[in-house]
Amino acid sequence: KAGVTQTPRYLIKTRGQQVTLSCSPISGHRSVSWYQQTPGQGLQFLFEYFSETQRNKGNFPGRFSGRQFSNSRSEMNVSTLELGDSALYLCASSSDPGAWEKLFFGSGTQLSVL
Amino acid sequence: DQQVKQNSPSLSVQEGRISILNCDYTNSMFDYFLWYKKYPAEGPTFLISISSIKDKNEDGRFTVFLNKSAKHLSLHIVPSQPGDSAVYFCAASAGGNYQLIWGAGTKLIIKP
Repeated sequence: KAGVTQTPRYLIKTRGQQVTLSCSPISGHRSVSWYQQTPGQGLQFLFEYFSETQRNKGNFPGRFSGRQFSNSRSEMNVSTLELGDSALYLCASSSDPGAWEKLFFGSGTQLSVL
Repeated sequence: DQQVKQNSPSLSVQEGRISILNCDYTNSMFDYFLWYKKYPAEGPTFLISISSIKDKNEDGRFTVFLNKSAKHLSLHIVPSQPGDSAVYFCAASAGGNYQLIWGAGTKLIIKP
């Protein structure tokens, strides 16, 4: 069974640009969540989608948005990039929301904003 | 305001000895706690969890202890092995709020 796939693996952008990150969950998983990881800050929850509906949102500005498609694949978008957006963005999938022991993460997208 | 704190950024332990990783939390509504392990260039993987109705949970070499009055939990690894070298994250959730709050992580280094 294929794991969670995130593309691209690395991304370099400049301030003011926008970026779209993609996440393909494990087959059969309908819940997808996104996290931002920065050194010393742990994982910060961005949002969670289940069956194409956003169920929960973290404390991030409106520049961060996401969506989920009918095949459960998810994208997150960051507009008007700032230097502080440089981070590892992790996607995780599970069969249901709150199934924390069965939360599977992708390897992440490393975003660098110059 | 960090609701889940891992105050030790790194910890070095001799192979075969006990590793103890600590985590403190501030939100008394948290009722489920988890530890995840992360290797470089990989996403975190679930390790062990504990519900607030328990004070201890064991899984092989890994034991998690919960002290609700002190709002403190710890992960014990006995004996420590080289493959345990990784970053360990503590995370907590509060009831039906489907959101995990994560600590900053502790990098565990097992010395041969």
